Amino acid sequence: EDKVVQSPLSLVVHEGDTVTLNCSYEVTNFRSLLWYKQEKKAPTFLFMLTSSGIEKKSGRLSSILDKKELFSILNITATQTGDSAIYLCAIHSGNTPLVFGKGTRLSVIA
Amino acid sequence: GAVVSQHPSRVICKSGTSVKIECRSLDFQATTMFWYRQFPKQSLMLMATSNEGSKATYEQGVEKDKFLINHASLTLSTLTVTSAHPEDSSFYICSARYAGLNEQFFGPGTRLTVL
Repeated sequence: EDKVVQSPLSLVVHEGDTVTLNCSYEVTNFRSLLWYKQEKKAPTFLFMLTSSGIEKKSGRLSSILDKKELFSILNITATQTGDSAIYLCAIHSGNTPLVFGKGTRLSVIA
Repeated sequence: GAVVSQHPSRVICKSGTSVKIECRSLDFQATTMFWYRQFPKQSLMLMATSNEGSKATYEQGVEKDKFLINHASLTLSTLTVTSAHPEDSSFYICSARYAGLNEQFFGPGTRLTVL
């Protein structure tokens, strides 16, 4: 059974800090790993990772995948209060739907 | 980018009534749509997968007679919560995918409150 484990489950930081969110997975037929940000509504897409070692970057957010060790990290630098959200990691395997981790609840305080 | 809409965004109903939630892909044909449920402070839990023109596949523990899913066209899927109870109060999110793509596109979600 495909499985996604995220850590930490929650995190409180001050504005300006850098955070690293972790996602490890077990999957039988890996296609891609996706990161989402969820605030009050449905998740919004951040990154899709399919290859090891290639960093995806969008502003202060970046993510990288290690397919050998079966994990991914999501980095946020110079955090802002607007980064406060739940960050979800999901695995896409073959033709199956996404399998989500429990998420990391990030709180950025001023 | 691909857009998925849901309607209504919020619904409050009395216990025992049925509620229908619509999920539409606005600018693409969704061969597969997924319905998720999310309770407070929890992650998304997949309820069912529906392919256009065929019966939905429900996840273990999800009652198919209670959560009726219809995927009548390539742009519309509906979820009907029948005889809703307070414990059905949750955030229901749909997502859509078209053939050959890994990514799912999420609707904005529907918050259901059953009194």
